[in-house]
Formats: sequence, C-alpha cells, structure tokens
Amino acid sequence: AQKVTQAQTEISVVEKEDVTLDCVYETRDTTYYLFWYKQPPSGELVFLIRRNSFDEQNEISGRYSWNFQKSTSSFNFTITASQVVDSAVYFCALSGLGGTSYGKLTFGQGTILTVHP
Amino acid sequence: GAVVSQHPSWVICKSGTSVKIECRSLDFQATTMFWYRQFPKQSLMLMATSNEGSKATYEQGVEKDKFLINHASLTLSTLTVTSAHPEDSSFYICSARLAGVNEQFFGPGTRLTVL
Repeated sequence: AQKVTQAQTEISVVEKEDVTLDCVYETRDTTYYLFWYKQPPSGELVFLIRRNSFDEQNEISGRYSWNFQKSTSSFNFTITASQVVDSAVYFCALSGLGGTSYGKLTFGQGTILTVHP
Repeated sequence: GAVVSQHPSWVICKSGTSVKIECRSLDFQATTMFWYRQFPKQSLMLMATSNEGSKATYEQGVEKDKFLINHASLTLSTLTVTSAHPEDSSFYICSARLAGVNEQFFGPGTRLTVL
C-alpha cells in the first residue's frame, strides 16, 4: 500500500518569507514517481513537478525548489520569497510504476498555505 | 498541449436524480482516465480507473453501480452519479494519461451539489 503524509495542515507566512512544505511517503515499489500539485481556490490542479525515484538530485525552478531524500522517504518543497499569489493548497502525490499501482496517484492530505501581504 | 476538459463545471440537482459528468482529452489520446473525488477541505481520493474499451476498475469502497463509468473512446470518459443524494455532493476531478507515459493531466473539476 502507498501512503503520503503531509503533516502540516496549514501554514501562514508573511510575504517574502521562505516556506517549506513537508512530504513523507511510504511505498513498497522500488521505482516510483513523486509529484507536487498546487490547487488554487478555483479548484483546478496545477502541476508543479514530477520526480523519478532514480533521480535524487534537488531541483530549482525560479522561487521553487525541491529536496528529495530517498533515505528518509521525503520530498519537501520550498518556496523562496513567498508571494500572496502562492496562497493555495499544495498536494504531494506518489505514483507507482509497477503492477496494480502503475499510474495511480496517491495524494497527501494537502497543506493550506496562506501568504499575507 | 495535454488539455483535459470537464463538463459541466458545476451542477445542482435534486436528490434521486442522475448526473453525468464528461471528461475529454482535447489534444491527445488517453488510453486511461482516472476519476477522483474531493470533499471540502480534504484530499483527492481515487474512485476508479477507466481504460478505453474495457470495464472500469473501482477502488475499494466505491460503489460501481452508483458511479457508472464509461470510456467509449480515446478522448472521452463519462461518470454518471446515479440516484444522487446530498452525501454525493463533492468536487469530481478527472485526469487523463498519455499512453506509455506515467503522467496525468487533470481536468478543471466538476462541483456537484445535490439538494
């Protein structure tokens, strides 16, 4: 069985602060994908990143960065210099690559991020 | 590219009626589509996996007779909520996967309210 845990239910920061969203996962698959999605109030999921379990390199995209630590089964997401437009619910998700778990996304509970001006 | 649409974007219906939600991949062929349900302030839960030309695979606890899924073509899957009740009120989101690619493209969602 797969499981994704986002322990932070809600985070509130002031604009320009850095914020890290935690994600811990469990899977028996040896290969898998990890994802982060943003869900603004409109409800539509916005894809942010996909990371293959083979690739433990950290990634940076503008103000966003991701830290994948396979040893601790964590895939944390950091927003640098947060902005009000970053306010949304953020989901971490896991997809297996083998057998019955292929392609199925298991989502974490989500973290509500509120950035105050 | 990789755009997925859903129709309607929102629907209000009376208890006991059936509601059909369409999910279309607009610029690619999707051999597999997924249906998720999201209750307010909760996460997305996978309801079923729909493969073109075959029966859908439902997740544990999802009633297949209540949530009818049809994937008649490579660009269209439909979810019909039969005999809807207020507890079925939720945000329904579909996603479509390109053949051979482990990446899902999500639709904008359909908000169902059952009175």
